[in-house]
Amino acid sequence: EPEVTQTPSHQVTQMGQEVILRCVPISNHLYFYWYRQILGQKVEFLVSFYNNEISEKSEIFDDQFSVERPDGSNFTLKIRSTKLEDSAMYFCASSESGLTEAFFGQGTRLTVV
Amino acid sequence: GENVEQHPSTLSVQEGDSAVIKCTYSDSASNYFPWYKQELGKGPQLIIDIRSNVGEKKDQRIAVTLNKTAKHFSLHITETQPEDSAVYFCAASDNTNAGKSTFGDGTTLTVKP
Repeated sequence: EPEVTQTPSHQVTQMGQEVILRCVPISNHLYFYWYRQILGQKVEFLVSFYNNEISEKSEIFDDQFSVERPDGSNFTLKIRSTKLEDSAMYFCASSESGLTEAFFGQGTRLTVV
Repeated sequence: GENVEQHPSTLSVQEGDSAVIKCTYSDSASNYFPWYKQELGKGPQLIIDIRSNVGEKKDQRIAVTLNKTAKHFSLHITETQPEDSAVYFCAASDNTNAGKSTFGDGTTLTVKP
């Protein structure tokens, strides 16, 4: 069964460093998403991406965040200068169209120290 | 923006009993309501969804009901099994970007053998 894959599963980084979280969406999907989940809290929408551009973003997705689809298969989330409060699980998701359900990856646990 | 409230936050049932989780939403434009199951260390997995043109949907032991007038929807799990133990999230989105969901706070379901 096709699935969304994310790497790495766990990333530890120093405060102020840049991190790139990687995702390979399901191959025929056209919509891509990033969500985050701070430990013990709800899953929060960050950004959606379609046709090589951001289609929607939340208030959380400020200038320190960026997304890219560099090569037609990977979908990345970059955090430019990490803060302690960026520590969370980051989930990538993809959907076939804007009308269909999203499938989530297993997540990347980001720990900022 | 959309606000989704979910109750209860924790639910403990005996194996074989039924479990009901309830959610309310605020934005009348929402018309797609997925339910996700999240097991420890994994990403949310879609278990059932409902669209606003349908009042009820069933899939084996799982059913979801939607009352669009009252803006609430519920998940019903019958004949619960220990493997149903997980965190369940309700979510709401609109059809134009179904993968962009507002999640509830989650319900930790424990099924005791």
